[in-house]
Amino acid sequence: QQPVQSPQAVILREGEDAVINCSSSKALYSVHWYRQKHGEAPVFLMILLKGGEQKGHEKISASFNEKKQQSSLYLTASQLSYSGTYFCGTEGSGGYQKVTFGIGTKLQVIP
Amino acid sequence: EAGVTQFPSHSVIEKGQTVTLRCDPISGHDNLYWYRRVMGKEIKFLLHFVKESKQDESGMPNNRFLAERTGGTYSTLKVQPAELEDSGVYFCASSKWDTASYEQYFGPGTRLTVT
Repeated sequence: QQPVQSPQAVILREGEDAVINCSSSKALYSVHWYRQKHGEAPVFLMILLKGGEQKGHEKISASFNEKKQQSSLYLTASQLSYSGTYFCGTEGSGGYQKVTFGIGTKLQVIP
Repeated sequence: EAGVTQFPSHSVIEKGQTVTLRCDPISGHDNLYWYRRVMGKEIKFLLHFVKESKQDESGMPNNRFLAERTGGTYSTLKVQPAELEDSGVYFCASSKWDTASYEQYFGPGTRLTVT
């Protein structure tokens, strides 16, 4: 079952902040975040693991609430380069399972 | 380090024809995944190879789809015969280990249009 992302779309001005949410109806082992620019490959942003470990880079942070089965991606002081579609992917608990992606959040940063 | 490559980048075929998509993962990555994205929808998992073995093919739509990974290197995804609903962008991704702690590296995708 795919995770639910919100909002579906957002427009920001440069320098503004944004939060993208991802929620699942099942227990999670990890949450993955990717960004895809139009016509390009999705690019890895971050993985959040059960137990609190976080891996990522750039000026983007995220949280993972295991009990609520939710994750949020925080984009601070947005730049034009942040524009794209953000996907969260969730992996269920109990050993290896495939990553199930959400429908995506389209983010546009304007000058 | 070369990234994941896919061929062709675009393919337009008629309903009933056959198409074969190819994916070359990053060298040394044992895990290879196929996904499909229909416009405006999620990136949908199709299957996962570990080396040459199919670890999980639960996302394959039906038996018109056949994926192979001979020798544990590149992979092919054949659609035969193609139907209109097969249109979409097919992504391939690879990772060094399983997905729990390691990111997947995606290829640029093959845009398939079935007319």
